[in-house]
Amino acid sequence: IAGITQAPTSQILAAGRRMTLRCTQDMRHNAMYWYRQDLGLGLRLIHYSNTAGTTGKGEVPDGYSVSRANTDDFPLTLASAVPSQTSVYFCASSDSSLDRGLDGYTFGSGTRLTVV
Amino acid sequence: GQNIDQPTEMTATEGAIVQINCTYQTSGFNGLFWYQQHAGEAPTFLSYNVLDGLEEKGRFSSFLSRSKGYSYLLLKELQMKDSASYLCAVTDSNYQLIWGAGTKLIIKP
Repeated sequence: IAGITQAPTSQILAAGRRMTLRCTQDMRHNAMYWYRQDLGLGLRLIHYSNTAGTTGKGEVPDGYSVSRANTDDFPLTLASAVPSQTSVYFCASSDSSLDRGLDGYTFGSGTRLTVV
Repeated sequence: GQNIDQPTEMTATEGAIVQINCTYQTSGFNGLFWYQQHAGEAPTFLSYNVLDGLEEKGRFSSFLSRSKGYSYLLLKELQMKDSASYLCAVTDSNYQLIWGAGTKLIIKP
């Protein structure tokens, strides 16, 4: 089934630890995104990639890094986790960074991260 | 700054009609999306408007007025499974997607 796979589904992480959230898509979409979703706030963009080999910073990039070595994978790394990074993280993809009207974004099922 | 406003929560009755409003102030406009998100799940695409007017898709319709910075999502013949959050998002002049906080819709029998 075509779509986006995120792993892990949930994680409890000690503050100060390093963590990589995985995201893989099989739709050959060019653009990929990482969002965090917190209660009462809209989805906030962390980092994005318009095509393999390029990445960019979103609205809330501090404390996070990404890489885009190929079209399918877009991992998100927390170098040294802090409690304020407790959130639900969604990976998403779209066919084009410019024209997303026809199908919008496809989202993964999310990773629920708790930093203690 | 850029801003998307939606009501936090709405309640409606099964079988009825509900309208969820969204107003936006963004730097440019390249389209408006509506997404549905059930609790604990990922958002799923509902509709996209780039021109003024009404787009109908089954029980769901979405309206856009660019001059007023306003959109609404209309849900007809409400079903219990429509209980979810509805997210409004606008693409700005840089093709960045700006998201509203979402409207939680509660359907009562």
